Amino acid sequence: EDKVVQSPLSLVVHEGDTVTLNCSYEVTNFRSLLWYKQEKKAPTFLFMLTSSGIEKKSGRLSSILDKKELFSILNITATQTGDSAVYLCAVLTSGTYKYIFGTGTRLKVLA
Amino acid sequence: KAGVTQTPRYLIKTRGQQVTLSCSPISGHRSVSWYQQTPGQGLQFLFEYFSETQRNKGNFPGRFSGRQFSNSRSEMNVSTLELGDSALYLCASSHPLGLAGMSSYNEQFFGPGTRLTVL
Repeated sequence: EDKVVQSPLSLVVHEGDTVTLNCSYEVTNFRSLLWYKQEKKAPTFLFMLTSSGIEKKSGRLSSILDKKELFSILNITATQTGDSAVYLCAVLTSGTYKYIFGTGTRLKVLA
Repeated sequence: KAGVTQTPRYLIKTRGQQVTLSCSPISGHRSVSWYQQTPGQGLQFLFEYFSETQRNKGNFPGRFSGRQFSNSRSEMNVSTLELGDSALYLCASSHPLGLAGMSSYNEQFFGPGTRLTVL
C-alpha cells in the first residue's frame, strides 16, 4: 500500500531557529512530491519536486528530494511566528495519478 | 483569477441524514479532487473527477459519491451520515493530471473547505 510518512508530528521552536521537516514515502510509480502549508484553512502550495538533488528555494524555505532513499526535507531558516502551521507532504503517483498525503507536521514558532 | 470556492463553509447535520457539498474550480481547471481531513487521519483522498467522469477513487464506502458538471463544478454527496464523517472536506482543482503535454501542471489548488459536523 502506498504511504507517506512525515516526522516529527509536531515541533515547537523559538523565533530565529532553523527547522527541518521530514517526509518519507513508499509508493509505486512516483511522479512528484509536493509540500503544502496549511494554516487555518486551505493548504497552500510551497514546492513541487520531481528530480533528485535539486534544491528548490523560496525565501527562507527550501526543499530537496532524494529519490534513491525515498525522502524529502523541508528546511525553514530564521523561523518567524507566521511560519506556525501544519506542513503537508504529498506524493503524486503516475498511472493512477493520485495524491497521497502524509498526516502533516504541526510547527509552532514562539516569539 | 478567482480561487477554488466551496459551499457551504459550515454544516451541522444529524446521524442518518445526507449532505451535498459543492466545489467550483479555478477557471480553466478541469480536474477536481475531494479530500477528507480529520485530526487523526490527515488528508485522505476521496475521488477525482475529470470531464464529468470519476477517474480515481480512494478507499471510502459507497455512501460517499460525487459528480462533475460540464462546467467542471463538482458536488460531493454523503448519505446516511455517521458521527465519524465529521471532518473538513477539501476540494482541489488542477489541470488534468496525466494529460499529454500537461505534465508540468501537477499543482493542486485547494478551496477553503466545508466543515461538516455530524451530531
